[in-house]
Amino acid sequence: QPVLTQSSSASASLGSSVKLTCSLSSGHSNYIIAWHQQQPGKAPRFLMKLEGSGSYNKGSGVPDRFSGSSSGADRYLTISNLQSEDETDYYCETWDSNTWVFGGGTKLTVL
Amino acid sequence: EVQLVESGGGLVQPGGSLRLSCAASGFTFSNYAMSWVRQAPGKGLEWVSTISGRGGSTYYADSVRGRFSISRDNSKNTLHLQMNSLRAEDTAMYYCAKASFTNNGWHDYWGQGTLVTVSS
Repeated sequence: QPVLTQSSSASASLGSSVKLTCSLSSGHSNYIIAWHQQQPGKAPRFLMKLEGSGSYNKGSGVPDRFSGSSSGADRYLTISNLQSEDETDYYCETWDSNTWVFGGGTKLTVL
Repeated sequence: EVQLVESGGGLVQPGGSLRLSCAASGFTFSNYAMSWVRQAPGKGLEWVSTISGRGGSTYYADSVRGRFSISRDNSKNTLHLQMNSLRAEDTAMYYCAKASFTNNGWHDYWGQGTLVTVSS
């Protein structure tokens, strides 16, 4: 089954851009993933589905500041014009036949 | 508007049982697989179980296989998770989530969660 690897933390300045990475394990580089955002004390929120080609589809109401891209086994979530409300946790997700997997999550700090 | 509302959480002793429910609305329930995903206090998301749209296929994480049972009632747009032989490590917020396809896919909608605490 696939394994998703995320950095535990990231930081960037208010108004700047940040690129979060989710890496797929060997043999799974073509897998589709999803990005989710989770604010403190709240349920996760689906941000986008992202393919190996770099094509992505965002969820309802997700701001234009959020975009996705891919390179090999790496899947990226880029947040532009960082706002204070973007400071929270981000998880990637994928699946394989009968198993679903989440990355360990990245805690984003907006400086 | 898609809505997922969980219920049934609470405090239960080790070895006890609990049944979670998730009421769905705003989409054709039987067309989509549904899952339970949990989050232990201060930890990340952990997939628990998924059931296909018609209920014919069920999948479980190794950590709960043989103890938990997922089911759905498409006539009532409701998802269930029967949890038996509960352990302290099952303590978590349990989220109901809608999958993007009939049998699999990423999760595109989440409920607000129901808290399960296993403690004596």
